[in-house]
Amino acid sequence: DAKTTQPPSMDCAEGRAANLPCNHSTISGNEYVYWYRQIHSQGPQYIIHGLKNNETNEMASLIITEDRKSSTLILPHATLRDTAVYYCIVSLGGSYIPTFGRGTSLIVHP
Amino acid sequence: EAGVAQSPRYKIIEKRQSVAFWCNPISGHATLYWYQQILGQGPKLLIQFQNNGVVDDSQLPKDRFSAERLKGVDSTLKIQPAKLEDSAVYLCASSLGVRGFYTEAFFGQGTRLTVV
Repeated sequence: DAKTTQPPSMDCAEGRAANLPCNHSTISGNEYVYWYRQIHSQGPQYIIHGLKNNETNEMASLIITEDRKSSTLILPHATLRDTAVYYCIVSLGGSYIPTFGRGTSLIVHP
Repeated sequence: EAGVAQSPRYKIIEKRQSVAFWCNPISGHATLYWYQQILGQGPKLLIQFQNNGVVDDSQLPKDRFSAERLKGVDSTLKIQPAKLEDSAVYLCASSLGVRGFYTEAFFGQGTRLTVV
């Protein structure tokens, strides 16, 4: 599986958009990009995934560059409850979820 | 819908002792995962089951860790004997596991193991 690189930490003001980047320059053509988040003392929670096209759901939007070497997770209106560690994972898909990296610790402040 | 249930929530044991964790996945979920999360790191996949068969156990330290999934439902993860470096949160997750499609994984709250 391709490895990912994420900034260790970011912060964002409440109500503003949070843009979390992820670099996956060695991604192969049939690998998906997945995002999960982990709120303190809880298990990870699925957010969104994509292959080539941009994706949007009720939680977030995922923007994947045309060359698929990087992506950005967008939380359009961050709230305090969005404070968590966000993991970007690249995998062949199906039901296989490999080891998570260290992720990005997002702090949303008032 | 009930979530993934894990027990116990916390466990403290001495090194060289044995310990077992239990997981009850969401009803109907064919795929079950066990992860180890050491403080400050992301979860590391230990083993993945599809029904009661093992899909991937390449990162499971088989000299001391074992896992089983009886009848394709509940699962237990055992450590025998425990080492200090096994101190971590052990997370169980499950997904529908539909062949050829991605189905999101739902995680339990985990069992926090402290080995002293």
